Amino acid sequence: GDSVTQTEGLVTLTEGLPVMLNCTYQSTYSPFLFWYVQHLNEAPKLLLKSFTDNKRPEHQGFHATLHKSSSSFHLQKSSAQLSDSALYYCALGSGANTGKLTFGHGTILRVHP
Amino acid sequence: GALVYQYPRRTICKSGTSMRMECQAVGFQATSVAWYRQSPQKTFELIALSTVNSAIKYEQNFTQEKFPISHPNLSFSSMTVLNAYLEDRGLYLCGAREPGLGASQNTLYFGAGTRLSVL
Repeated sequence: GDSVTQTEGLVTLTEGLPVMLNCTYQSTYSPFLFWYVQHLNEAPKLLLKSFTDNKRPEHQGFHATLHKSSSSFHLQKSSAQLSDSALYYCALGSGANTGKLTFGHGTILRVHP
Repeated sequence: GALVYQYPRRTICKSGTSMRMECQAVGFQATSVAWYRQSPQKTFELIALSTVNSAIKYEQNFTQEKFPISHPNLSFSSMTVLNAYLEDRGLYLCGAREPGLGASQNTLYFGAGTRLSVL
């Protein structure tokens, strides 16, 4: 079945350092990957989603590349900001058009001055 | 833009009673609505996926008898938690899907959730 693994539960960084949050997946069908960001007491918001034509999605300085060879969709940013502190979820959508997203357990990102 | 509203934001009910939560999509047609529960220990648990004019699909460990869902049109869905007990506590999220192709067909826009506490 489908599954998503986010290896880090908590990532703590100093402002200005690069960010990388890991995400690997197992998918039965052609995968679509997403990153959602959730701030305290707010809705999970879509941050990025993968494309099928090898474009690299970018938003708010974050980017991620879908690597089917390694089944990965790691989230990266060159320089962390204090406002990036939040809970980040990697999610897998199935190409079978079920409308179902499978989520990882999430990674808390804490950025300090 | 695509917005999803959920209400109430918070609710408290007595053990054994029921409560209903609602989900409203604004700015797009929500052909499908996925109801998730986010509990402190677990990630998003999919309860059911509801598509207009189709049968509602419940995930293992969740049933229509416990979590009846209504999805009467392309902008509204509701779910009731019947006979709520402590294990039903958590944040219930509604994710609405817009029609589209490729990644868009799997993109969910979430509401802020209804936090259920059970006394």
